Amino acid sequence: GNSVTQMEGPVTLSEEAFLTINCTYTATGYPSLFWYVQYPGEGLQLLLKATKADDKGSNKGFEATYRKETTSFHLEKGSVQVSDSAVYFCALKETGANNLFFGTGTRLTVIP
Amino acid sequence: ETGVTQTPRHLVMGMTNKKSLKCEQHLGHNAMYWYKQSAKKPLELMFVYNFKEQTENNSVPSRFSPECPNSSHLFLHLHTLQPEDSALYLCASSQADGGSGNTIYFGEGSWLTVV
Repeated sequence: GNSVTQMEGPVTLSEEAFLTINCTYTATGYPSLFWYVQYPGEGLQLLLKATKADDKGSNKGFEATYRKETTSFHLEKGSVQVSDSAVYFCALKETGANNLFFGTGTRLTVIP
Repeated sequence: ETGVTQTPRHLVMGMTNKKSLKCEQHLGHNAMYWYKQSAKKPLELMFVYNFKEQTENNSVPSRFSPECPNSSHLFLHLHTLQPEDSALYLCASSQADGGSGNTIYFGEGSWLTVV
């Protein structure tokens, strides 16, 4: 079956620190992988995605590389800001399917 | 602004009330979804509609009744809910062709409290 396992939170970092949020997946086929972000009181926004192995998704300074050999899609940012405080969700979507499988989310708090 | 608009943003209802959540998408998509987000649980898919036809019902209790009159609008009718149904209900849309890279876009959600 399909599943996504995310690093447990919460994560608290100082401004300008390096961020890594781990995500691994299991899938029966060749999924696309996504990171969504949920800011306080809001819905989910797509942060970045990758559709095949070795693709790198990037947006707003965040990056994640689709690693088929380790079934991972870890989210990284070199220097976080207070405005990055949010909950981050890793998700996968199989080809031909309409559903997203989500991880449990990782809450990030960035302090000045 | 994601192109998916949900109303109301907040709703408080009693267990004997009947209310509805509304979703409208302006993205030209033909698939729409309801998800439920509860505290400390993964996002749960509830329903999927492709071209106005329901294609997935993820074992959702009958007190939740979806309606999709056209590809741009989706409703979730609520009746005789329980306090444990209190959650954030998220509507989403995408293209329906199942392409792996098709992105699912979410609305801002409707916060439901059942008292």
